[in-house]
Amino acid sequence: SQTIHQWPATLVQPVGSPLSLECTVEGTSNPNLYWYRQAAGRGLQLLFYSVGIGQISSEVPQNLSASRPQDRQFILSSKKLLLSDSGFYLCAWSRDRASFYGYTFGSGTRLTVV
Amino acid sequence: GENVGLHLPTLSVQEGDNSIINCAYSNSASDYFIWYKQESGKGPQFIIDIRSNMDKRQGQRVTVLLNKTVKHLSLQIAATQPGDSAVYFCAEKRGTYKYIFGTGTRLKVLA
Repeated sequence: SQTIHQWPATLVQPVGSPLSLECTVEGTSNPNLYWYRQAAGRGLQLLFYSVGIGQISSEVPQNLSASRPQDRQFILSSKKLLLSDSGFYLCAWSRDRASFYGYTFGSGTRLTVV
Repeated sequence: GENVGLHLPTLSVQEGDNSIINCAYSNSASDYFIWYKQESGKGPQFIIDIRSNMDKRQGQRVTVLLNKTVKHLSLQIAATQPGDSAVYFCAEKRGTYKYIFGTGTRLKVLA
């Protein structure tokens, strides 16, 4: 069966520090991978998605970047965090072409920038 | 961005009553929709889905209704239980790779 792992679960980082959040998927190949952010009490904002190694689509220009160095690995990064980067970050995967399967989400990383 | 910047509406329901959560979608060409449940501090979990060639689909205690004429989706939960308390999101398939999420509704079950 497929599983998705996301870590760390919580993170407190000072303003201006770098960020690296990692997400890996097991039990499938060539998944579509996604990073979402959720501000407290709000909806889900798509940040990046990837349909293959090295292929990254950015939905919202901002202080973050994403990379996919391996088929089942998706990384969210920042060189210098801002206070506004605080939120709940969710990684998700879907089957190739995502026809009628939807997403499976990870358990999320709660990032607090102080 | 899609559907961000709005605080979540809340639906309060007495335990044992039925709940109806509504969602409006924007793209008349969307062919697939999903309802997700998100408990506090966790990632959203799939509840039920429906394709655009259907008007209704039933699961265990949940029913999704799709009205393509007015681009409206609803989730009905029968005999609501305390464990149903969560935020519920509808998601609309947009293109090949993406889903667009609604703003979400917080369901509070009152004992």
